[in-house]
Amino acid sequence: KAGVTQTPRYLIKTRGQQVTLSCSPISGHRSVSWYQQTPGQGLQFLFEYFSETQRNKGNFPGRFSGRQFSNSRSEMNVSTLELGDSALYLCASSLGPGEGDTQYFGPGTRLTVL
Amino acid sequence: KQEVTQIPAALSVPEGENLVLNCSFTDSAIYNLQWFRQDPGKGLTSLLLIQSSQREQTSGRLNASLDKSSGRSTLYIAASQPGDSATYLCAPEDSGTYKYIFGTGTRLKVLA
Repeated sequence: KAGVTQTPRYLIKTRGQQVTLSCSPISGHRSVSWYQQTPGQGLQFLFEYFSETQRNKGNFPGRFSGRQFSNSRSEMNVSTLELGDSALYLCASSLGPGEGDTQYFGPGTRLTVL
Repeated sequence: KQEVTQIPAALSVPEGENLVLNCSFTDSAIYNLQWFRQDPGKGLTSLLLIQSSQREQTSGRLNASLDKSSGRSTLYIAASQPGDSATYLCAPEDSGTYKYIFGTGTRLKVLA
C-alpha cells in the first residue's frame, strides 16, 4: 500500500507570495491533518479535514487555509508569505477521528521564504 | 490547554544500553497516545499506538506504557543500536477533539 505523499518536497518563495502544498493520503484514509514544524516551536497542529470538512483548526492566522477533495486528497494554502512561515510542513492521514488507529505521516514539504 | 513535556531533551548513550524516555502531559483527558520517531529532515514514523483502553504496547525492542491518571507515558528501548538514533516524539490525542498534541521530543544518539 502506498504511503502518504506530499508535493512538492522543497519550495522556495519570497515574502508576499502565496503557496499551495498538496497531500495524498493512504488509500482508504479519510482524515488528513496538517502540521507545521520549526526548530523553535516544534510540531504545531494547523488543521484537520475529514470527509471534505474541516474538523479541527489550530491557532494559526487566516493566511493559512486548506481544503479536502472528494478523493480525500488535501491541499493547504498560505497567502502573503512571511519569513516566519519557513518550516517543514507535514501532513498525516488516518482512517478517521476516534478510530483508534495510527496516524501516518508524509515526508513533508520544506518551505523556505526569502 | 494540553502541554506535553519530554525528558530528557537530548540523550547520548553507548550501543547496547537500555533506555527510558519520558513524556508527561497536563490534561489527563486523552484518548489514544502515539510514540513517533523522526529522522533529520524527514517525516514521522509511528512506533507504537496505545489505545484508550490499553496501558502498554510492545513492538520488538520497544515498549511503551501509559498512565492517564498521572499524565505520563514512558518509552523503553532495549539493547539500543546506532540505527535507533533519531528524535522521539510522544503525542497524546485530545479526547474531545481527537487532535494530537506533540511534545518537543527527545533527541537520541546511540554511539557505536
